[in-house]
Amino acid sequence: QQQVKQSPQSLIVQKGGISIINCAYENTAFDYFPWYQQFPGKGPALLIAIRPDVSEKKEGRFTISFNKSAKQFSLHIMDSQPGDSATYFCAAVRGNAGNMLTFGGGTRLMVKP
Amino acid sequence: DTAVSQTPKYLVTQMGNDKSIKCEQNLGHDTMYWYKQDSKKFLKIMFSYNNKELIINETVPNRFSPKSPDKAHLNLHINSLELGDSAVYFCASSQDPLSGRVGTQYFGPGTRLLVL
Repeated sequence: QQQVKQSPQSLIVQKGGISIINCAYENTAFDYFPWYQQFPGKGPALLIAIRPDVSEKKEGRFTISFNKSAKQFSLHIMDSQPGDSATYFCAAVRGNAGNMLTFGGGTRLMVKP
Repeated sequence: DTAVSQTPKYLVTQMGNDKSIKCEQNLGHDTMYWYKQDSKKFLKIMFSYNNKELIINETVPNRFSPKSPDKAHLNLHINSLELGDSAVYFCASSQDPLSGRVGTQYFGPGTRLLVL
């Protein structure tokens, strides 16, 4: 049973467009929600993260929107670039569970030039 | 320069063999992890160690045994390898989560294990 559900599995966006990836979680004990970016042959790397007491966080072209009541959060990539082509993972953490990351299934993003 | 390093990068072996993967971090972190990424890219926590002590063991067969000789190293030993063990194994590290702070996890480049 997957505790964090992510959609879509794959996404193709034109350069300059907006990429949107959605996640939903079950466990209300989660208290930290990071997004990781993974390029082929590399390990995941933290992109941006949010706590549930904030509804939105923006860092450059990347924005997380968080809806606590719906138990959903999403990643928006503005002005998508070919260099953004990667697999994106949402994750959730329970602070009292040893910082364990529970990952969504991943979204493979391709940005076409 | 590499923050989290793993060796080997690739590992091809026969069913039934025993193998080890090594991980080292030079970030001064107290906590290290092993994750498994399957062929569908799904990432799942296997183990977490804090200051050389096991704090998470997520329903992993006991053929998998992590060993932490010091807080900068966390090795993964796998006995009696099975076909289903084929995956990419990632090591990660973070600051001490037991202090109440959630720490960013830094991942290594992965070890690609293929069991034939």
